[in-house]
Amino acid sequence: DAGVTQSPTHLIKTRGQQVTLRCSPKSGHDTVSWYQQALGQGPQFIFQYYEEEERQRGNFPDRFSGHQFPNYSSELNVNALLLGDSALYLCASSTRRTQYFGPGTRLLVL
Amino acid sequence: GDSVTQMEGPVTLSEEAFLTINCTYTATGYPSLFWYVQYPGEGLQLLLKATKADDKGSNKGFEATYRKETTSFHLEKGSVQVSDSAVYFCALTDQGGSEKLVFGKGTKLTVNP
Repeated sequence: DAGVTQSPTHLIKTRGQQVTLRCSPKSGHDTVSWYQQALGQGPQFIFQYYEEEERQRGNFPDRFSGHQFPNYSSELNVNALLLGDSALYLCASSTRRTQYFGPGTRLLVL
Repeated sequence: GDSVTQMEGPVTLSEEAFLTINCTYTATGYPSLFWYVQYPGEGLQLLLKATKADDKGSNKGFEATYRKETTSFHLEKGSVQVSDSAVYFCALTDQGGSEKLVFGKGTKLTVNP
């Protein structure tokens, strides 16, 4: 049984560009959450998707947006990238209130 | 809002030493509590969890007990190995509809042979 998968694994962008990160949940999981982890910090909640709707959002600007598809996979989009957006972006899928994380996408903004 | 406080790291131990990483929380209601582990260059792996007071979560020799009276969920292991070297995160979710995880800052553990 495949776990949570994310793509790409690494990404380099320049300020002002846009980026799309992708996540496929574990089989049987219908909820996907996204987190940002800055270097040396704990993950911070960005938002959560359930039944293709954004269910809850953390304290992130509107430059961060997402989508969930009918097969429960999800995308995270970040517009107008800032240097401070450099981080590890983690996707987690869940059922019964326990979240399982993917390996993450490491984004570097230059 | 809800929050998690972990002991400051880094923690350095010799192999076979006893490990304790302290975690306390602030939350309304009755949260579920988790420990996640992050090995270098990887994502987070669920280590153990507890969903109600006095529950003990355990996995791979690690244990933590949900203490409502002290709002704590300290992680312990009787004999650490070099392979336990990683960053450990304490986290909670509230009992409401959201499954949002709130994390502590993490504690880096290094185990020397």
